Amino acid sequence: EVQLVESGGGLVQPGGSLTLSCAASGLALSTYWVHWVRQVPGKGLVWVSRINPESTTTTYADSVRGRFTISRDNAKNTLYLQLNSLRAEDTAVYYCVKDHTGYHDYWGQGTLVTVSS
Amino acid sequence: QSALTQPASVSGSPGQSITISCTGTSSDVGGYNYVSWYQQHPGKAPKLMIYNVYDRPSGVSYRFSGSKSGNTASLTISGLQAEDEADYYCSSYTSTSTYVFGTGTKVTVL
Repeated sequence: EVQLVESGGGLVQPGGSLTLSCAASGLALSTYWVHWVRQVPGKGLVWVSRINPESTTTTYADSVRGRFTISRDNAKNTLYLQLNSLRAEDTAVYYCVKDHTGYHDYWGQGTLVTVSS
Repeated sequence: QSALTQPASVSGSPGQSITISCTGTSSDVGGYNYVSWYQQHPGKAPKLMIYNVYDRPSGVSYRFSGSKSGNTASLTISGLQAEDEADYYCSSYTSTSTYVFGTGTKVTVL
């Protein structure tokens, strides 16, 4: 069974930093593009970022470019998202999502990031 | 990248068919067949229901079907059932190598 398990969420002050992790089991994440998608509680899904299997290509939404960094460790079967210069509007549940050529077939359960003083 | 436009809510009685629209531009929905649909129940992660406009993953009911015309994609749920009550989101690949989701539609089974 494929499982994606996010961790690292929590409460952080505006301007602070946080690193999210996503550990995969049941599949070799190393052969797939992987994404982060976020959702403000009660609101819609928003695509955040993606990374290719070799870590040579990364893409970001305009709202996070320059502040967030996506990375991966294929040996550990793990995806990361470094969140810097956090703002109140970054408060959301962050989902780790596996790509399958144009769509997202496996989703984690999400980790909540709350940016507040 | 602006969100794709979906109706905020759609409702129907059990057994009826409903259709949810998803309107984008030629830079996303109209330009690629990478349109997918996701179902999300409260407190749960989204679940893939339709991919590549028309295709249905194994395990997803045949009652769910997708289509596209120009810049608008659609999800049709036939034989509506109580378990179909959820939020639904469309998604598309875009010309800037990013992805965009729809605004979301709440489906209510009357």
